[in-house]
Amino acid sequence: QMQLVESGGGLLKPGGSLRLSCAASGFTITDYYMHWIRQAPGKGLQWISFIGGSEGHIYYADSVKGRFTISRDAAKNSFYLQINSLRAEDTAIYYCVREWSAFDLWGQGTMVTVSS
Amino acid sequence: EIVLTQSPGTLSLSPGERATLSCRASPSVDNNYLAWYQQKPGQVPRLLIYGASSRATGIPDRFSGSGSATDFTLTISRVEPEDFAVYYCQQYGYRPRTFGQGTKVEIK
Repeated sequence: QMQLVESGGGLLKPGGSLRLSCAASGFTITDYYMHWIRQAPGKGLQWISFIGGSEGHIYYADSVKGRFTISRDAAKNSFYLQINSLRAEDTAIYYCVREWSAFDLWGQGTMVTVSS
Repeated sequence: EIVLTQSPGTLSLSPGERATLSCRASPSVDNNYLAWYQQKPGQVPRLLIYGASSRATGIPDRFSGSGSATDFTLTISRVEPEDFAVYYCQQYGYRPRTFGQGTKVEIK
């Protein structure tokens, strides 16, 4: 059964850092483009970043460049999102997502709350 | 960046009515790399349509997608009670990937 499981969210203070993890099962992440998408409370979906292909191409939304870093560990079939200099506006559910025919497989999401 | 504009913002319908949701792209989406998602409160978004008109696995045939280039439509032929939700369009042909702002289909 193919699935994605996120972890690493929580309540953090502004200026802090965290690393979100996404563990994949039932397929190999290096065969796909893997994405992070977030959704602030009561808001729409915002695409953040992807990593994909055998070469591990990486791309970020302009709004997160410089603070967010995506990476992967093929041996663990997992990928990650490092977020630095946390801001209140980073408060959101963070989803890891697989792209094949569009975004066809989603994790359950992990909540990140940034508050002092 | 491709900007997707969805209309209307909210669609109020009774069960059994037809729903027509619009998604306009600027600039155009080549190869029809346009998808639609459904999200119910507290749930994860679910892929409904990809390639502008292909239904994802397990999606009922009352959902259909159409359009090309700059104008795309999601149609629900007869809205069922479980269809009341927010619907997003998204393009996956270009970087960055982008979403529309969503259309809420609510019970009239």
